[in-house]
Amino acid sequence: AQSVTQLGSHVSVSEGALVLLRCNYSSSVPPYLFWYVQYPNQGLQLLLKYTSAATLVKGINGFEAEFKKSETSFHLTKPSAHMSDAAEYFCAVSDLAHLGSNYKLTFGKGTLLTVNP
Amino acid sequence: GAGVSQTPSNKVTEKGKYVELRCDPISGHTALYWYRQSLGQGPEFLIYFQGTGAADDSGLPNDRFFAVRPEGSVSTLKIQRTERGDSAVYLCASSLTARGTQYFGPGTRLTVL
Repeated sequence: AQSVTQLGSHVSVSEGALVLLRCNYSSSVPPYLFWYVQYPNQGLQLLLKYTSAATLVKGINGFEAEFKKSETSFHLTKPSAHMSDAAEYFCAVSDLAHLGSNYKLTFGKGTLLTVNP
Repeated sequence: GAGVSQTPSNKVTEKGKYVELRCDPISGHTALYWYRQSLGQGPEFLIYFQGTGAADDSGLPNDRFFAVRPEGSVSTLKIQRTERGDSAVYLCASSLTARGTQYFGPGTRLTVL
C-alpha cells in the first residue's frame, strides 16, 4: 500500500524567504509523485510531477522538487516566497504502472503555507 | 478551454436523505476519478471510471455510495441515506488517458445536518 507523509501541517515564512515543504512517501513500486496546490475555495492545481525522468522537477510559479529514492522523499522548494504563494499544498503518490493500474492518487494531509509580509 | 465543473458547489441536506453530485469532465477525457476530502485531510480516492465502466470502486466506503457514468462523459455520485459523517468536499478529476495528469474540479461541499 502506498502512503504519503507531509511533515508540518502548517509552515510560516516571511516574504522573500526560502520555502521548504516536506514530503516522504512509501511505495512498493517505483512511484509517480505529485505536488498540488489548493487556494481557498478553488480546486487542486498541479504544481509539478515526477514520472521517472529527471530527479529534479521544475514546476509552475517557481517551485521545484527533487526525487530522492534513498530518502524516499520529494520535498517542494521555492527560493523566494511571494504573498501569492499562501495556500495549502498536497503531496501525492500513484503507482508507476502495474499493467492496468489506474493511477489513483494517494494524498498526504496537506501543509498550509502562510507568507508574512 | 473549460475545465472540470461540478454541481452543485454546495449542498446541505438532512440525515437520511438522498443526494446526487454531478461532475462534468474536460471534453474528451476518458478517465474520471472521484475523491472525498474531509476537514483537515487530503483527498481520498473513491472510484475511477475508464469510459463508461467503473474500473476501480475500492474506495467507496459502503454500499450507500454509488456512481455512474452512462455515456462516458458526465458522472454522478449518488449517496443514499446520508449520515453526518458523509459531510465533506467531494472532488472530481479527469484525465485524457489513464496515465495522464488529473485535472480537478472545484468540488461540491456536502453538509449533512
